[in-house]
Formats: sequence, structure tokens, C-alpha cells
Amino acid sequence: RKEVEQDPGPFNVPEGATVAFNCTYSNSASQSFFWYRQDCRKEPKLLMSVYSSGNEDGRFTAQLNRASQYISLLIRDSKLSDSATYLCVVSSGGSYIPTFGRGTSLIVHP
Amino acid sequence: DAEITQSPRHKITETGRQVTLACHQTWNHNNMFWYRQDLGHGLRLIHYSYGVQDTNKGEVSDGYSVSRSNTEDLPLTLESAASSQTSVYFCASSTSSPDTQYFGPGTRLTVL
Repeated sequence: RKEVEQDPGPFNVPEGATVAFNCTYSNSASQSFFWYRQDCRKEPKLLMSVYSSGNEDGRFTAQLNRASQYISLLIRDSKLSDSATYLCVVSSGGSYIPTFGRGTSLIVHP
Repeated sequence: DAEITQSPRHKITETGRQVTLACHQTWNHNNMFWYRQDLGHGLRLIHYSYGVQDTNKGEVSDGYSVSRSNTEDLPLTLESAASSQTSVYFCASSTSSPDTQYFGPGTRLTVL
């Protein structure tokens, strides 16, 4: 089982829709969690950190479920500009080396 | 403004040649990372460094080496390029671990 798993998609949704992605991780000792966004052929950029209490930033909400070992990203009122690949990142162990999921592709259409 | 740059942005080389990819950051970050990204594999860690003179192997380090002689630079060397090393290479830096990583624009390497 891969350490960090994501559904590759693509998730194809209309503008204005609400869409949610999950990311599961295998190491129960994982400490830190992030969502990054990557546009085609560009570098990944931090979207948001994921805290135990959850995290909301405008239309984006991230949640952590330690019991079931997954994090989620909810996007409300999707925009065309939200079309991208969303990467889940988990850091675990004493060295906190980040492990990236393969990403979930989102396509928002008019 | 602080930034992280990579050079060259595109490189075509032949099997067996030595290739060095440059990464330079002006964030004054202690931590620097090299990843490769391939279809079906996502981002995989090659090498990382927590500071000057510190280097560590990542998940896919075979055939690659790095050195850290100053805070700003972490060059990645392919000792003898192989076709399997055709990929997009990203460099990243962060202040500490775990923390936000800032990525360079990437280098697209083709080994013929």
C-alpha cells in the first residue's frame, strides 16, 4: 500500500459546484498535512495546511480525520480557475520528510 | 523579492553524460529538496539537505548526487545519465520541517 493515496480523477464538475477530495495515509504517526495545487507543467504551490481542528480559507476547507487516517479538501462554488491537480502531502517520523500523493485532477467546466 | 530558481529550464543530453542541474534560493532557507515528477508516480524525493554540508538520500537517490557548500545552492548531479532519468525535476526549500515548501519552476530533462 502506498504511503499516501489519492484518487487521480479527473473530477469533472460545472462552475458553482461543490467538490471534495480525500487523501488516505498509511503511517499513523504522521504529524503534518498539507494540500498543494499544481497547474499543468508548473511547480506545486501551497494551498493550505491541514490542522487537527480543520482549516478554512474562503471557498476551501480542509479536514483531518486521524481515526480513519485521511485528510479531505472541500471546494465550494467552483471556479474555472480552480482547474488544476491537487496534491496531498503528509510528513511523518522524526525527520518530517514530506511524502506526496500522486494528485487528484480537477476540471471545472462552464 | 526572495525566490528559488532552477537552471537550465530545459536540457537534452545523451546517455552516459554527466549532467548538473542548478538550484538557487534567496529565502535563506536551511532545508532544500530535489524531486522528480513522472506520470503515474507523482513527486518523488531524490535528495535533501538540512543545512550546509548536510545531505541525505531520498526515495529514488540511485544515480544522483548532491552537495551543499552554502545555504543558497543545492546542485543535483546525474553521474551517468540514463534514459530512465528523463523527467521533470523540481527543487524546493523550506525554513524547517515540517513547513511550507517553496518550489522552483522545474527543469525538464530528456536523456536520449
